[in-house]
Amino acid sequence: DIQLTQSPSFLSASVGDRVTITCRASQGISTSLAWYQQKPGKAPKFLIYVASTLQTGVPSRFSGSGSGTEFTLTISSLQPEDFATYYCQQLNSYPETFGPGTKVDIK
Amino acid sequence: EVQLLESGGGLVQPGGSLRLSCAASGFTFSSYAMTWVRQAPGKGLEWVSGISAGGTRTYYADSVKGRFTISRDNSKNTLFLQMNSLTAGDTAVYYCAKRAGYSSSWPYDSWGQGTLVTVSS
Repeated sequence: DIQLTQSPSFLSASVGDRVTITCRASQGISTSLAWYQQKPGKAPKFLIYVASTLQTGVPSRFSGSGSGTEFTLTISSLQPEDFATYYCQQLNSYPETFGPGTKVDIK
Repeated sequence: EVQLLESGGGLVQPGGSLRLSCAASGFTFSSYAMTWVRQAPGKGLEWVSGISAGGTRTYYADSVKGRFTISRDNSKNTLFLQMNSLTAGDTAVYYCAKRAGYSSSWPYDSWGQGTLVTVSS
């Protein structure tokens, strides 16, 4: 099974900050990676697929990059509504594992 | 508008069984693969099981293999998860979700509100 790790697991940031989250896969997955945002008590929201393509309606301050085993999610200028937990998910093979999550909190 | 409505959660004793349902509407259910994802209290997301659009291919996480069975009834636009031999480790909110596109490279773009399963004596 493919394992995903995320770093950091927690980050404290201010509105306007640039934030980068890294997701690493235990083996190469090409660009078969998605990013989700989840707020407390809510279902996850799909942000990015095939590593770098924004889902329709997702603000352009979000971007994704990477291929193979290392991927990043960047928020160029953090907004109040972006404080949430972010998960990566690999879709290269079953089981479609999620990373452990990165919680973005207000500094 | 896509809607996914889970039901069937509740309190069950260790070793017991539950059957979750996910009623789908607003899209051609029979054209999309579906999945179950769970989230234990205060923990991260865990992919549990997936099923192809036609229902012929099923997939499971190692943690539930042999105990859980995913199925679907395309005539009734409903997804199921039969859960047997439940343990405290299965306590979680269970979400059903729809794949965003037809191929397996698409992630899950629509999610239900979740149903809570609590395994406790």
